[in-house]
Amino acid sequence: DAGVIQSPRHEVTEMGQEVTLRCKPISGHNSLFWYRQTMMRGLELLIYFNNNVPIDDSGMPEDRFSAKMPNASFSTLKIQPSEPRDSAVYFCASSPSSGRTDTQYFGPGTRLTVL
Amino acid sequence: DAKTTQPNSMESNEEEPVHLPCNHSTISGTDYIHWYRQLPSQGPEYVIHGLTSNVNNRMASLAIAEDRKSSTLILHRATLRDAAVYYCILYSGGGADGLTFGKGTHLIIQP
Repeated sequence: DAGVIQSPRHEVTEMGQEVTLRCKPISGHNSLFWYRQTMMRGLELLIYFNNNVPIDDSGMPEDRFSAKMPNASFSTLKIQPSEPRDSAVYFCASSPSSGRTDTQYFGPGTRLTVL
Repeated sequence: DAKTTQPNSMESNEEEPVHLPCNHSTISGTDYIHWYRQLPSQGPEYVIHGLTSNVNNRMASLAIAEDRKSSTLILHRATLRDAAVYYCILYSGGGADGLTFGKGTHLIIQP
């Protein structure tokens, strides 16, 4: 298996532009997570999907952030409009389910820079 | 969420064992202890997890105190490729909280 795939790997955009980050989870995994990593706040969970349904989006910072999972093999995280404080590395992770012993597999991340 | 406490950084020599401690005095009975690590410029990767008994896998060993209030990740023979930030995480599943990452321990390996 290729693991979790994220695109793009790097994104540089200007303030006010729309940004879409993409994730392809590992085939057969039912749970998908979006995390954000910054120097100030470390790694933090943004949203969690189970069987393509958003279960908990309490970590999404503002209404400017939205995430979708139209099918089991694809998810997007959209920021509109983007702001410089959104600059971070965004990770997507998937796991077979959400049990206590399930391992989360992380993608390589998308490094977002908003100028 | 139950919290964990880890040293900010540790240093070790190549090919020597490394013991990374973690305190979790407020752990609940349903919490598993998970360890992940993050190599430079990569996403976190799973290392090991356990509940009560000590665990071994090809990457590391996990020693869990009898009262479960602390645990130690053991790398038996560290290599330069083990230089990373190691996170000790308590996870009770359900997914609602995902994994709560603290600051972790920055492990430095000297050649």
